[in-house]
Amino acid sequence: DQQVKQNSPSLSVQEGRISILNCDYTNSMFDYFLWYKKYPAEGPTFLISISSIKDKNEDGRFTVFLNKSAKHLSLHIVPSQPGDSAVYFCAASDTQAGNQFYFGTGTSLTVIP
Amino acid sequence: DTGVSQDPRHKITKRGQNVTFRCDPISEHNRLYWYRQTLGQGPEFLTYFQNEAQLEKSRLLSDRFSAERPKGSFSTLEIQRTEQGDSAMYLCASSLRWLAGGSYNEQFFGPGTRLTVL
Repeated sequence: DQQVKQNSPSLSVQEGRISILNCDYTNSMFDYFLWYKKYPAEGPTFLISISSIKDKNEDGRFTVFLNKSAKHLSLHIVPSQPGDSAVYFCAASDTQAGNQFYFGTGTSLTVIP
Repeated sequence: DTGVSQDPRHKITKRGQNVTFRCDPISEHNRLYWYRQTLGQGPEFLTYFQNEAQLEKSRLLSDRFSAERPKGSFSTLEIQRTEQGDSAMYLCASSLRWLAGGSYNEQFFGPGTRLTVL
């Protein structure tokens, strides 16, 4: 049972444009969300997080938006750079229930120079 | 200490053999997680330690899998009687506990151990 879903396996964007990666979840008890970036042969690297008490969190070129009613979050990268090409995973947790994080299947982003 | 390290990076074994992986977390992190990742999937939670105590285990963790963190520092994950279905990337991550004020620390991942069971 996939509680966190990333329905787009891949995304291609021109350098300098906006990249939007989407993530949906089914468990309404999730209250903490993260985005990770993963390069080949490396472990995931933390990018940005958001608590359910917020609907937006921004860190430099990266912004995460949370729509709790739709159980949807998105990661915006502006402007996109070739070095952003990687697989992006969203993850969610019900922090009151424990420490288990549920990951999506990932979206492979390619930024075309 | 620059991050989470895992050893070995690659392991090839024959079905039925036992394997053991090691994870060294970031030194001040008291929380340690093990995940398994197969091709085309995201990491799947296996187990979690706070200091030396194993506090959570996934249903995915069959009785052939055992994890320890004897001194609250490094951790080992052992798989007994390996099966071809155990072939995957095994990831370790560490984090600090929930910080005062409600700020939650993210998990820092190691590079993983890729297991191939022939």
